[in-house]
Formats: sequence, C-alpha cells, structure tokens
Amino acid sequence: QVQLQESGPGLVKPSETLSLTCTVSGGSISSSSWSWIRQPPGKGLEWIGYIYYSGSTSYNPSLKSRVTISVDTSKNQFSLNLSSVTAADTAVYYCARGDSSGWYGYWGQGTLVTVSS
Amino acid sequence: DIQMTQSPSTLSASVGDRVTITCRASQSISSWLAWYQQKPGKAPKLLIYKASSLESGVPSRFSGSGSGTEFTLTISSLQPDDFATYYCQQCNGFPWTFGQGTKVEIK
Repeated sequence: QVQLQESGPGLVKPSETLSLTCTVSGGSISSSSWSWIRQPPGKGLEWIGYIYYSGSTSYNPSLKSRVTISVDTSKNQFSLNLSSVTAADTAVYYCARGDSSGWYGYWGQGTLVTVSS
Repeated sequence: DIQMTQSPSTLSASVGDRVTITCRASQSISSWLAWYQQKPGKAPKLLIYKASSLESGVPSRFSGSGSGTEFTLTISSLQPDDFATYYCQQCNGFPWTFGQGTKVEIK
C-alpha cells in the first residue's frame, strides 16, 4: 500500500521560500506522476503542479513563476519550493500520487503551512 | 483554465435519502472527471474516476454519470459516514481544476 508523508516547516515568513518534502513508502517513485495540491483554510482545492519520475513537470500558470517541484528517486522523495510567499499562500499542502489520467488515489495527510512574520 | 462549478454548495439531507450533486465544466472535458469525498482534517478520498468508474473499495451506493460539460455524483441511500464535502476535478486540460465543493449536512 502506497503511503505519502509531507514534511517541512509549519511557519514561513513573508517573502521567503516555502519548502516541503513528500516521502513515498510502499512503492517506487519511479512510476506515476507526483503532485502538490493545496487548500487554504475553509476553502477549496488548488492544483499546484506535478512531476514525473523522469523529471518532467507541469505547473499551474497562476503559480508557475514561483514554483519548483523536484524529485529524488534515490530517496523516494519529491519536493515543493514556493518562493516569495505571502499570507495568501497559507494553506494545507498535500502531496499526492496521480495515475496516468490525472486523478489522485493516494494522498498524504496534509501539512498546514502558515505565512506570517 | 477550465472552470468547474458545483451545485448546490450545501445540501441538507437525512440518512436514507437519495442525494445528487452536479458539476458543470466551462468547456467540454469528455469523461475526464473525478469525484472526491473530504472529511474535516482529512485528505480527499477518490470515489469516482473517468466520470463513472467506481474506485476500488468505495461502496456501490456511490455512482457517477455524465460527459462533456455536465456531470453528477449520486449517493443512492445516504449513510451517516457520508456526511462530508464532495469535490469534482477535471483532468482534461492543464491546469487541473477542482469544483468549489458541496457540503452534505445532516438535516
């Protein structure tokens, strides 16, 4: 059974870079696509982007200038960097495994990241 | 971006009721639609993919239908465990987008 676990700071200062890592267990990261999705408190879901194990990526245009998703196959991990954060980036951040068509059958538990000084 | 609009935003229902949630896409997405259930403090759970395919392990009281721009999620007989928020998601065109959610409350 594939499991995903997010890790990273829960508090980030405005203008700094939010960095999160997702560790995959119970399966190899060298298959499928791997995504980040966020949910501001009390609001809906926003797709941030994905990466294939090969390294190819696709990002949400609304965040593209600030987002980088990378993969480390040796550690079975993938990561999210979001630069120049503001309070609007405060959200629960989920990592998820996408199937070939784009829906998500496996999710991490989510981690709340608050942007505040 | 493809906009996904769900209706209603909130639905009050009783155990045993038949419940239908609608999701409309701003342009045709063929059958590239998924439905998720989310409970407070938890990650979304995939219920339906490709508009009408039931994810493994999901009770058969959940069903999905539709294609093109209009889709429905139906719960044939609402159970206590089904009170949650439901989201649709399109994966026909980037960026993938979600509906705003439908909260199913106890009447």
